[in-house]
Amino acid sequence: DTAVSQTPKYLVTQMGNDKSIKCEQNLGHDTMYWYKQDSKKFLKIMFSYNNKELIINETVPNRFSPKSPDKAHLNLHINSLELGDSAVYFCASSQSVPDTQYFGPGTRLTVL
Amino acid sequence: DAKTTQPPSMDCAEGRAANLPCNHSTISGNEYVYWYRQIHSQGPQYIIHGLKNNETNEMASLIITEDRKSSTLILPHATLRDTAVYYCIVRVEPGGGADGLTFGKGTHLIIQP
Repeated sequence: DTAVSQTPKYLVTQMGNDKSIKCEQNLGHDTMYWYKQDSKKFLKIMFSYNNKELIINETVPNRFSPKSPDKAHLNLHINSLELGDSAVYFCASSQSVPDTQYFGPGTRLTVL
Repeated sequence: DAKTTQPPSMDCAEGRAANLPCNHSTISGNEYVYWYRQIHSQGPQYIIHGLKNNETNEMASLIITEDRKSSTLILPHATLRDTAVYYCIVRVEPGGGADGLTFGKGTHLIIQP
């Protein structure tokens, strides 16, 4: 069974479109995350979320918004896509204690 | 979280021990040392973590110096599948907050056949 899964694996879209990436974890964890890995391979936290709080990296544009329908899912919505949004997006999850993070396989987003 | 310094790349022969160093001279008393790796085109994978004692699990060993200013990740018998970027991360104790991991540039370990 896949612990952390993401869909789609690849996403190609036009500038200005709105898209979503889905993430699901079956580990029973209470915290989920979204990371962005750019073309230079730098991996940066975008959001972390549990049932108590949403922590947003201040550098993330407000076009990006996480939405959690339940504890096992944290979807990433992106409005008005820009060329610079092209990257690989990773979802992760952890239990508060211990907080070892488990990552999904990534979604490669290409904005044309 | 304290900053870490790692060599950008290292080579190791298959079957030998791979020793990956990490400097974290500004580490605080409540900060742990974590190691993750990222194999090409995959998500990062947790390896091991520790506070001050040496740790060992099925993947690797972690040696932390007595002053805690540096550490070494040891892969005892490296295989080709261990080729990856290895990240040393220092962060507050588990459960200290729901913040994310701060990844540096890591060490690109290449296992040579």
